[in-house]
Amino acid sequence: EAQVTQNPRYLITVTGKKLTVTCSQNMNHEYMSWYRQDPGLGLRQIYYSMNVEVTDKGDVPEGYKVSRKEKRNFPLILESPSPNQTSLYFCASSFLGREAYEQYFGPGTRLTVT
Amino acid sequence: DQQVKQNSPSLSVQEGRISILNCDYTNSMFDYFLWYKKYPAEGPTFLISISSIKDKNEDGRFTVFLNKSAKHLSLHIVPSQPGDSAVYFCAASARSGGSNYKLTFGKGTLLTVNP
Repeated sequence: EAQVTQNPRYLITVTGKKLTVTCSQNMNHEYMSWYRQDPGLGLRQIYYSMNVEVTDKGDVPEGYKVSRKEKRNFPLILESPSPNQTSLYFCASSFLGREAYEQYFGPGTRLTVT
Repeated sequence: DQQVKQNSPSLSVQEGRISILNCDYTNSMFDYFLWYKKYPAEGPTFLISISSIKDKNEDGRFTVFLNKSAKHLSLHIVPSQPGDSAVYFCAASARSGGSNYKLTFGKGTLLTVNP
């Protein structure tokens, strides 16, 4: 089954404790992206990657890091989480080209930072 | 500054009737528009799209209309079914402007279809 998986689905952590949210896709997609969804703000892009070892900032990259060492994986790293990073996070992937706009989303990771 | 606006946070319709979800945009560079549907505890799923060279695109019960002069698009669902109850996100991209596939999303509209 074609899918984007994220782990964990739910996470409660404390300020400053490094964490990683994993994202993996099995569709051989070149393009992967991370979004956060906050009440009243819709989805905002954090980082994206056009292919292995090619990453770039989205609209709200502060406080986040990413890496793309393999085509299927695109982990989101919070080196020192803060309460304002409490949010619902989505990973998405797609082929490049015309289809890139029709992205496949993972189920989401709800993160709470206390 | 919000470039994609969905001014109705929620909409309620009766089963079998038409649902009309609206979206306005401010960036004239946007030339590709999409609608995504999101159920609770799931990620958004792509529903339908339209290029700025068209004014209508239809896929089964779903039709998207684009009015470029008004910078307005709408999603029509006919007939509406209870399974259509979800949050609908409008998204836009400046495809011809080298957007790096960036999507700008609206805040979403919660559609409730009552049996």
